[in-house]
Amino acid sequence: NAGVTQTPKFRVLKTGQSMTLLCAQDMNHEYMYWYRQDPGMGLRLIHYSVGEGTTAKGEVPDGYNVSRLKKQNFLLGLESAAPSQTSVYFCASSYLDRGPYEQYFGPGTRLTVT
Amino acid sequence: QKEVEQDPGPLSVPEGAIVSLNCTYSNSAFQYFMWYRQYSRKGPELLMYTYSSGNKEDGRFTAQVDKSSKYISLFIRDSQPSDSATYLCAMSAMTGGSYIPTFGRGTSLIVHP
Repeated sequence: NAGVTQTPKFRVLKTGQSMTLLCAQDMNHEYMYWYRQDPGMGLRLIHYSVGEGTTAKGEVPDGYNVSRLKKQNFLLGLESAAPSQTSVYFCASSYLDRGPYEQYFGPGTRLTVT
Repeated sequence: QKEVEQDPGPLSVPEGAIVSLNCTYSNSAFQYFMWYRQYSRKGPELLMYTYSSGNKEDGRFTAQVDKSSKYISLFIRDSQPSDSATYLCAMSAMTGGSYIPTFGRGTSLIVHP
C-alpha cells in the first residue's frame, strides 16, 4: 500500500495564480483532511471531509476550496494565491471509527507564493 | 489563547535521559489525547493515544492524561538520538457529529550522543 500520497511535492506560485493540490489514499478511509503547517503555529485544519461528496470548513478555510468526488481523493484548491499561503500542506486520512485518534499523514507539499 | 498549548522548545538532552513533553488545554470536552512524532521534512505519524484519563505505556514511551488539571504528558525513557524529532500533541472532541483533532504547536526534541 502506498498509504497517503500528495502531488506535487514542491511548487512555487506567483501571487494571483491558481493551483490544485491532490491527495490520494488507498486504505479505503472515510475521513480526509487538509492541514497547513507554519513555523511556530503547528498544524491548522483547513477543510475536512467525512465521506465522498461531503466537505466541511476547519479552522483556517479562507482562500481555499476543496472537493471529494471520489472516496480515495481529496483536492485542495487555491483560486488566487497570496504570499500568506506560503506553507507546508499536509493531507491526512482516517477510518470512521478511528477518526478521533488515528490519522495517517502524507509527506507534505511545500508551497511558496512570491 | 489557543485551545492546546505546547512549548515549542527546542529541548536538548543527552542520550539515555528521561524526556518529559507536556501540553495543556482549555476545552474540557476533549476525550481523545494523542502524541504524534514528526521527523524533519516528513509527515506526522501517530505514536500513541489515550482515551479519557490515565496512563498508557508502549515500550520506552508512556502517555499520561490528567483531565482534572487539563494536562497531558509524554515520557520517553532511555532516549536515543533516533528520538530526535518534533512531538505534536493532539486532542479531539465531538464537533458537529465528528471528532476533529486539534494540534499543539509541537516540541522540538534533540537527543545528542
